[in-house]
Amino acid sequence: SQQGEEDPQALSIQEGENATMNCSYKTSINNLQWYRQNSGRGLVHLILIRSNEREKHSGRLRVTLDTSKKSSSLLITASRAADTASYFCATDAVGSGGTSYGKLTFGQGTILTVHP
Amino acid sequence: EAEVAQSPRYKITEKSQAVAFWCDPISGHATLYWYRQILGQGPELLVQFQDESVVDDSQLPKDRFSAERLKGVDSTLKIQPAELGDSAMYLCASSSDRGYEQYFGPGTRLTVT
Repeated sequence: SQQGEEDPQALSIQEGENATMNCSYKTSINNLQWYRQNSGRGLVHLILIRSNEREKHSGRLRVTLDTSKKSSSLLITASRAADTASYFCATDAVGSGGTSYGKLTFGQGTILTVHP
Repeated sequence: EAEVAQSPRYKITEKSQAVAFWCDPISGHATLYWYRQILGQGPELLVQFQDESVVDDSQLPKDRFSAERLKGVDSTLKIQPAELGDSAMYLCASSSDRGYEQYFGPGTRLTVT
């Protein structure tokens, strides 16, 4: 079953613009991760944010996490045509004793198209 | 850079036949995952190994699917018999331990006719 819901389902922008994708989830988490998938390929890990973190940066990526609202956002700044892909959030839920099982539950994904 | 290897990349099989997928994780990674991804959806975990032990196989259809990781290194996922609804991308991933980022292989695209 899919825990996360991503919004929007599809996003189309011009090169140079910023892209923002949102993710909501239902259970308490250890961490939340974002992945990118180019058409027909495997997933590539982008960034991991732990439940005690509120914001994280990696290059042109900025991720925020609001555990009170059970939501996260991924911002890609100054987008490029090469950023065209599907983006997934995935949650690592809290297991018994507060540990991580390492089991990721993925959302449906946001399809990002960046036009040159 | 170390990568997760999967084979075959594409497989076409007739329903009721047996099919097997192979995965070689990044060297030293203790945790190995098999996911199924239906077109237009996110990956769904089928089975998770910690070394050679199954940690989670709650979503694995055990009447037809089996998975093993005998020496705690590479792994095989088998479907017997295949059904039309099994057509999907099968992804393998590994991580150094539970709770860390996962590294995915290129996947095996299965088509059941």
